[in-house]
Amino acid sequence: DTEVTQTPKHLVMGMTNKKSLKCEQHMGHRAMYWYKQKAKKPPELMFVYSYEKLSINESVPSRFSPECPNSSLLNLHLHALQPEDSALYLCASSQQWGAEAFFGQGTRLTVV
Amino acid sequence: GQNIDQPTEMTATEGAIVQINCTYQTSGFNGLFWYQQHAGEAPTFLSYNVLDGLEEKGRFSSFLSRSKGYSYLLLKELQMKDSASYLCAVKDRDDKIIFGKGTRLHILP
Repeated sequence: DTEVTQTPKHLVMGMTNKKSLKCEQHMGHRAMYWYKQKAKKPPELMFVYSYEKLSINESVPSRFSPECPNSSLLNLHLHALQPEDSALYLCASSQQWGAEAFFGQGTRLTVV
Repeated sequence: GQNIDQPTEMTATEGAIVQINCTYQTSGFNGLFWYQQHAGEAPTFLSYNVLDGLEEKGRFSSFLSRSKGYSYLLLKELQMKDSASYLCAVKDRDDKIIFGKGTRLHILP
């Protein structure tokens, strides 16, 4: 299994909603990442987990809350988002932090 | 600061060769990646360079010169499916991977 699976593929949420994005990999990778990508822009790193510990938080607002329940799963909890948070949210994993990253297909999030 | 420069757009003809350049100025350097991203899809890994020189992988090759802060991705025998964005990404001294803005490559028949 060489895939990173993200669910849901699409999500529309209101500014008062609470939702979660999920990411799963079974490649035995020990680093997992959340990226945010706006249209025609490069992916921007949000969080890095290495060996299930949060290693990097790129000054992301607290309305985004990551969680790594185990080495295969990565969640991103969303609460009180703004319309400007609408973007493609990409999960990635790598054998270890800094190695070649495999990306999931992303969750296209629209905040209304 | 971190700065990774690539041309915004390039156009080439099916069957031809194209070279996409990337220059970088980052806080340390631990390697350089090239990714391909089709519109609306996730990036996919193409190549990784950490030492100077050329890495060849089928129709794609990537070159690195660390002293010049320069890399290029060479695509040969272009096919229509190569129309995509190509992202240069640098791993800095903390092993954080920083993406350039990407080069949108258009292939003409």
